[in-house]
Amino acid sequence: ETGVTQTPRHLVMGMTNKKSLKCEQHLGHNAMYWYKQSAKKPLELMFVYSLEERVENNSVPSRFSPECPNSSHLFLHLHTLQPEDSALYLCASSQTQGDTEAFFGQGTRLTVV
Amino acid sequence: DQQVKQNSPSLSVQEGRISILNCDYTNSMFDYFLWYKKYPAEGPTFLISISSIKDKNEDGRFTVFLNKSAKHLSLHIVPSQPGDSAVYFCAAMDDKIIFGKGTRLHILP
Repeated sequence: ETGVTQTPRHLVMGMTNKKSLKCEQHLGHNAMYWYKQSAKKPLELMFVYSLEERVENNSVPSRFSPECPNSSHLFLHLHTLQPEDSALYLCASSQTQGDTEAFFGQGTRLTVV
Repeated sequence: DQQVKQNSPSLSVQEGRISILNCDYTNSMFDYFLWYKKYPAEGPTFLISISSIKDKNEDGRFTVFLNKSAKHLSLHIVPSQPGDSAVYFCAAMDDKIIFGKGTRLHILP
């Protein structure tokens, strides 16, 4: 248990659905991240939040919409996804954006049908 | 209970020598293992991976060894260079990915 909790663990959604992934940490960290892990591919950084402000958006399609209402919670809102968006979505946090030590959640396995 | 353990939080190695980073896991269902490198102010970047059907994978100065019977993998960097100073994460996958807590590698001049 790293202190970073992601829900749900598994999600199956249709291409017309709207769903949200949730990440929660009570480690007192100020930076939170969303990553995409596709099957057998390297980890892709999607979004970075520092002190609740988005500081990085790595050319992610607009069908993915992050939200950071406070320093403990991070959401990834999903709508009109494509089958190729099926992947493991990981949340992570660190004390600050510049911190070398990051704590990862176990991920949400998303399947788009 | 940690399923992926990196028992050394930090490691210092002389430039030009071999760096060996170790990782142990507990779940025999893991079938793919990865190493990531992380610099300050950046997210982890993929370094090298190995499937459970292999015991060695080599890419330039980086070699990963997998010992399934011992549930142990290691990353060898040779020769070590100053730019290798970073935090290295080991990760293991089945239908999810579990990361170790990382080992900070410091290459000494």
